[in-house]
Amino acid sequence: DVKVTQSSRYLVKRTGEKVFLECVQDMDHENMFWYRQDPGLGLRLIYFSYDVKMKEKGDIPEGYSVSREKKERFSLILESASTNQTSMYLCASSHGQSYQPQHFGDGTRLSIL
Amino acid sequence: AQSVTQPDIHITVSEGASLELRCNYSYGATPYLFWYVQSPGQGLQLLLKYFSGDTLVQGIKGFEAEFKRSQSSFNLRKPSVHWSDAAEYFCAVGRPGAGSYQLTFGKGTKLSVIP
Repeated sequence: DVKVTQSSRYLVKRTGEKVFLECVQDMDHENMFWYRQDPGLGLRLIYFSYDVKMKEKGDIPEGYSVSREKKERFSLILESASTNQTSMYLCASSHGQSYQPQHFGDGTRLSIL
Repeated sequence: AQSVTQPDIHITVSEGASLELRCNYSYGATPYLFWYVQSPGQGLQLLLKYFSGDTLVQGIKGFEAEFKRSQSSFNLRKPSVHWSDAAEYFCAVGRPGAGSYQLTFGKGTKLSVIP
């Protein structure tokens, strides 16, 4: 089975801190994605990557950046955390071929105080 | 721009009753459609997907969905609901992007099951 692992289930940080969320997948997938999930808004795509060192903006990239130095790892960075970034963050990965399903991690619930 | 509408925010059904969750999409080309389920505190699990061909798609856990192009719908159904089906369900449409595709999700329908 595909395993997508997010480094933390719960994380509490302070306003202005630099925050790193880590995601690792074990299936040699080319594509990786970061979403945020908020009640009543569903999932919204922040950034995705289709290859090492490649990244593309999603629908809500403002306030975030990403890093993909190795194929299996995709990091989401909050350069200066703000309270409106308190949310559930979900990582996903998929095979490079068109329309292969995205496999999700269990999420990181991030609170910014 | 593509969009996905799930008209029902919350649905409650009795165990053993049938279930239909509605999904309408807006997309200019042939849609690639997905249903995901999320149990509390978990990530999303793929239930089923539609790419082409037979408009009635079978998925895991006894779920099925029917693609109706004329109605721009992709409703999820289950003939007999189990208590373990209580979860949140998300419909999504795929759109091609750089190197892969991106998903646009609906806002979700929360399902409660009465024993």
